[in-house]
Amino acid sequence: GAVVSQHPSWVICKSGTSVKIECRSLDFQATTMFWYRQFPKQSLMLMATSNEGSKATYEQGVEKDKFLINHASLTLSTLTVTSAHPEDSSFYICSARVYGNGYGYTFGSGTRLTVV
Amino acid sequence: QKEVEQNSGPLSVPEGAIASLNCTYSDRGSQSFFWYRQYSGKSPELIMSIYSNGDKEDGRFTAQLNKASQYVSLLIRDSQPSDSATYLCAVNTNAGNMLTFGGGTRLMVKP
Repeated sequence: GAVVSQHPSWVICKSGTSVKIECRSLDFQATTMFWYRQFPKQSLMLMATSNEGSKATYEQGVEKDKFLINHASLTLSTLTVTSAHPEDSSFYICSARVYGNGYGYTFGSGTRLTVV
Repeated sequence: QKEVEQNSGPLSVPEGAIASLNCTYSDRGSQSFFWYRQYSGKSPELIMSIYSNGDKEDGRFTAQLNKASQYVSLLIRDSQPSDSATYLCAVNTNAGNMLTFGGGTRLMVKP
């Protein structure tokens, strides 16, 4: 149980275009979704926290107009990278808090974004 | 000072040995502690969670928590080459319900 499905798993886009990443909780309701970014050989860095039905909370240094987060339902959160540039190339991972026996947080499978 | 610190490694151990991974955290109010394993190019997967002082064992894995000293460790017994990965320590700092990750320790288990 407690699976978060993330799509796409990888995407290549041209500089200046936008890319949408989706995360769906399959068998539970994800009130809160966390979005992380991971550059090569670095750890996960929290970008933003999204709560269903309200605006996302962005971490310092993360441009909210560039990384648009929508959490319109309890099972779907999306991250849109707008006007992507090569420096946005990274591994993006979503995560949801799971309440229950020892789960803690469950992660999506990640999206490898390459901007060319 | 980083909120969650780990030695980046690599930590190299022979197959069958015990691998010991350590993590320290700065927020004394932290309540929940997690160890994740991450293979290259993949998403983290939960290995262990621990919430109270002491040891917690699950198969070949033992998590140890000492809140007074603000450290949490992970022991992997009978290490296998398939255990070679980056191990991430994560702490719920109780501020915003989010996880804060350490930089990860790269473990290499040599056959």
